[in-house]
Amino acid sequence: EAQVTQNPRYLITVTGKKLTVTCSQNMNHEYMSWYRQDPGLGLRQIYYSMNVEVTDKGDVPEGYKVSRKEKRNFPLILESPSPNQTSLYFCASSSRGGYYEQYFGPGTRLTVT
Amino acid sequence: GQQVMQIPQYQHVQEGEDFTTYCNSSTTLSNIQWYKQRPGGHPVFLIQLVKSGEVKKQKRLTFQFGEAKKNSSLHITATQTTDVGTYFCAGPGNNNDMRFGAGTRLTVKP
Repeated sequence: EAQVTQNPRYLITVTGKKLTVTCSQNMNHEYMSWYRQDPGLGLRQIYYSMNVEVTDKGDVPEGYKVSRKEKRNFPLILESPSPNQTSLYFCASSSRGGYYEQYFGPGTRLTVT
Repeated sequence: GQQVMQIPQYQHVQEGEDFTTYCNSSTTLSNIQWYKQRPGGHPVFLIQLVKSGEVKKQKRLTFQFGEAKKNSSLHITATQTTDVGTYFCAGPGNNNDMRFGAGTRLTVKP
């Protein structure tokens, strides 16, 4: 089954404790991206990747890091989480960026206290 | 930078009434996509419009792309409770980034 998986689905952590949210897709998609969703703000792109070893900043990259060492994986790293990063995070993939439909993962709800 | 605006933010309708959400981009788009997110779920792709003035239909849903390729709309005829959710429009930016509207949350009273 074609899918995007994220782990963990829920995470409660404390300020400053480094964390990683994993994302994996099994569709051989070139394009992957991370979004955060906050009430009234819709989906805002954090980082995206056109292909392996190629990453670019989206709208709200501050406080986040990503890497794309393999085509299928695109982890999101928060080196020093802060309460304003409490949000719902989605990973998505598509065969080629904004010209094709995006497939979203189930989401990760992160709370930083 | 490029902005994608969507209105209204919320819409509450009685079952059977029609619903429309509007999307406007500050720049011309190569295409526009629409997604639906059910409560507690993730966004799911509905459709993509590419051509100027394009109109596409999916059962009770009608999607339009403006002549200038800067605006779009989604119209639902005779809403049902299964239409509940948040509808997002999205378009690619100049740098292969993706811009989403803030979404319109639709609630339907039976």
